[in-house]
Formats: sequence, C-alpha cells, structure tokens
Amino acid sequence: DTAVSQTPKYLVTQMGNDKSIKCEQNLGHDTMYWYKQDSKKFLKIMFSYNNKELIINETVPNRFSPKSPDKAHLNLHINSLELGDSAVYFCASSQAVKGQPQHFGDGTRLSIL
Amino acid sequence: AQSVTQPDIHITVSEGASLELRCNYSYGATPYLFWYVQSPGQGLQLLLKYFSGDTLVQGIKGFEAEFKRSQSSFNLRKPSVHWSDAAEYFCAVGSMYSSASKIIFGSGTRLSIRP
Repeated sequence: DTAVSQTPKYLVTQMGNDKSIKCEQNLGHDTMYWYKQDSKKFLKIMFSYNNKELIINETVPNRFSPKSPDKAHLNLHINSLELGDSAVYFCASSQAVKGQPQHFGDGTRLSIL
Repeated sequence: AQSVTQPDIHITVSEGASLELRCNYSYGATPYLFWYVQSPGQGLQLLLKYFSGDTLVQGIKGFEAEFKRSQSSFNLRKPSVHWSDAAEYFCAVGSMYSSASKIIFGSGTRLSIRP
C-alpha cells in the first residue's frame, strides 16, 4: 500500500492555466506538507497543515492555495501558472511529534509550456 | 536561523569502496537531523535520523551517520557501496513549529558509482 500518494505524476500545461495536484496519506499522520523542488534539486517547504489547520505558510505567491478537506488529504491548487512554476512538487506527512521524520510521495512533475 | 550545508555537489566512488558524505548544520538548540535519499524520478526515502541518545545512528541499506556536536556535523557513511546506491542524498535539520515539523534541506550530494 502506498503511504503518501500524489496525482498526477506528470502535469504539462500552458502558461495562464489553473491546475490542481492531489495528495493523500494512509499513515494516520496529523500533519501534511507541500514542497517545491527546483531544477537544481533544491527542496523548499511551501505549506504545512495540521488536522486541516494551516501551520506553515512560507513566502509563496498567493496563486498557490492549499486545501485540506480532512487530515488525510492536502491538495494544492495553482492559479495563473507561470513559467517559473515548473518544478517537482512533493507532498509529505508526519506525526506532529518532535523528531519524527516526514514521509514523502513520489512527486508531481509540473511543466509549463 | 537554521541551515544545512552539503559541501560536495557530486561524488564518484568505485563500487565496493567506502563512502562518506559530509553535512554541516547551523541550529541554536539541539537539532534533530535526517538523511534522505532520492533516486531518479522518485520521492525522498528516509535513511536514518538522529534526535537524541547514541551519536552513531544506524540506518537502512547499510548506512550510518555520526552526530558530532563540536563540529556541527552529521556525516553519512557506508563501508562498501553498491551500484544501486547511485542517487541524490539530502541532509536535513528539523525543528518543531507549532504542531508541524519544519525541515530545512541541504542542497544535496549526487553520488555516482564507478563500476
């Protein structure tokens, strides 16, 4: 069983479009995250939710809007896509306990034409 | 502010040789530290973690890491690498932020294996 699953795995779209990425975890974790990995493999946290409540919101354009319908799901909606949004987006989850690691999905590769 | 430095962008070792990947961190309190591995097209897989206790931690796939507070280091080691170890390796430092774990990743070290 996949612990953290993201869909779609690949997303190719045009500039200006709106798209969503879905994430689900079956680990029973309370906290979920979105990360962006750029072309140089640098990973940066974007958002974190704990039990549907926004906890971490890094400096991310407001075109990016996370939504958590329940603690097992954290979706990412992106409006008015720009060329610079091309990246791999990773979802992760963890227990809300100090020292616990995060478990990552396989990523969604977003390519903007 | 927390930060993680992985000074080696790319390392090549021969299959069967030993490996050490360097990681230095900056953190005000006692950190919790991780090493993750990313194979091409895959997500990140946890190799090992340090939170407290024994400073030499064992992980999966034969990896180990040693926490040295005096040097602010958490280097990853493996006595004998296999071709399947070729991947990107990330060191990370974590802290609790309210009810979420905030992890700062290093820039990664790409490991290539020479046959």
